[in-house]
Amino acid sequence: KNEVEQSPQNLTAQEGEFITINCSYSVGISALHWLQQHPGGGIVSLFMLSSGKKKHGRLIATINIQEKHSSLHITASHPRDSAVYICAVEYGNKLVFGAGTILRVKS
Amino acid sequence: DAGVTQSPTHLIKTRGQQVTLRCSPISGHKSVSWYQQVLGQGPQFIFQYYEKEERGRGNFPDRFSARQFPNYSSELNVNALLLGDSALYLCASSLNRAPYEQYFGPGTRLTVT
Repeated sequence: KNEVEQSPQNLTAQEGEFITINCSYSVGISALHWLQQHPGGGIVSLFMLSSGKKKHGRLIATINIQEKHSSLHITASHPRDSAVYICAVEYGNKLVFGAGTILRVKS
Repeated sequence: DAGVTQSPTHLIKTRGQQVTLRCSPISGHKSVSWYQQVLGQGPQFIFQYYEKEERGRGNFPDRFSARQFPNYSSELNVNALLLGDSALYLCASSLNRAPYEQYFGPGTRLTVT
């Protein structure tokens, strides 16, 4: 069993839709990261969470430590949001990554 | 300020050869981590260095080694290359050790033929 599971693996949405990507993990963590990766490889850090909820523009990330679960929400999705979204958990001195969710937003 | 830089951007090597990848962290960042991302998968942790010492190591063979220099830049070395080493190698820097937001470089795409 992978330490970090993401769902769905692939997601296609219409522009304007509300999107949710889920992440579950099985180990005790010091923090959880949501990352965005565009074609070509560049990774951008979206959020780092250890509790509660964070919001940045149209992006919202939540984490439930007791349930070992986090969600990334995108409101009013736009084609430029199309990317791979990766959940990563931090414990010890390393990050363990999920396989990523491929998001495609159609106009 | 410049972000994390990596060199080279692309590299083609033959099985059995050795390769060195380089990473320069954001100014002021003392921690550098290396990750391997095989096509279609999430990144896998290889090493973390902080203040020139190895602070963490992932499940990679001894063919993989790294070091951090006094200016906090880092090199990743891979010996005796295998076809399966073909991947995007990512470097990330952070101010300190975990947990801190990591800033990723653009990666080096290594192809082993």
